[in-house]
Amino acid sequence: DVKVTQSSRYLVKRTGEKVFLECVQDMDHENMFWYRQDPGLGLRLIYFSYDVKMKEKGDIPEGYSVSREKKERFSLILESASTNQTSMYLCASSPNVITGTDTQYFGPGTRLTVL
Amino acid sequence: GEDVEQSLFLSVREGDSSVINCTYTDSSSTYLYWYKQEPGAGLQLLTYIFSNMDMKQDQRLTVLLNKKDKHLSLRIADTQTGDSAIYFCAESPGGYQKVTFGTGTKLQVIP
Repeated sequence: DVKVTQSSRYLVKRTGEKVFLECVQDMDHENMFWYRQDPGLGLRLIYFSYDVKMKEKGDIPEGYSVSREKKERFSLILESASTNQTSMYLCASSPNVITGTDTQYFGPGTRLTVL
Repeated sequence: GEDVEQSLFLSVREGDSSVINCTYTDSSSTYLYWYKQEPGAGLQLLTYIFSNMDMKQDQRLTVLLNKKDKHLSLRIADTQTGDSAIYFCAESPGGYQKVTFGTGTKLQVIP
């Protein structure tokens, strides 16, 4: 079974702190994604990566950056956390397929509260 | 850009059928998905359908696709309390492209 793990289930940080959210997948997937989930807004894509050291902006990249130094690990960084970044953060991965579905495999999520 | 819309909430009695609806705007959608998110967990793929299909059945789940109206539905027969979750509709063009998710429908099953 594909396993996607996230470093923390719950995190509380203060405004202005630098925050690192880590995600690791064990299925050698090329693609990795960071979403935030907010009530009534569904999942919104923050950043994604199709390869090591490669990153692409999603729909809401402002206030975030990412790092992918190894294939299995994708980190989301909040350079200076703000209260409007309080949310559930979900990491996902998927394999490269030239044709076929883009099924994504999700981690359990990190609920981040910024005070 | 792509847009996927769902109603936010649905409440059904245990044993009844649930129907969760979704509309999408991207005419190049090749794959349409239903994901389930149980409380405190990430999303898990339930089922998907190719855009050239009208219907797909998998045990208690039936997916109906009206491509002309860009409307997708998920029917859960004999709904159980364990079906209580948030259900996300999603679409993608296929071939390692971005997946666009809907807002999610929270299904509440009343015993």
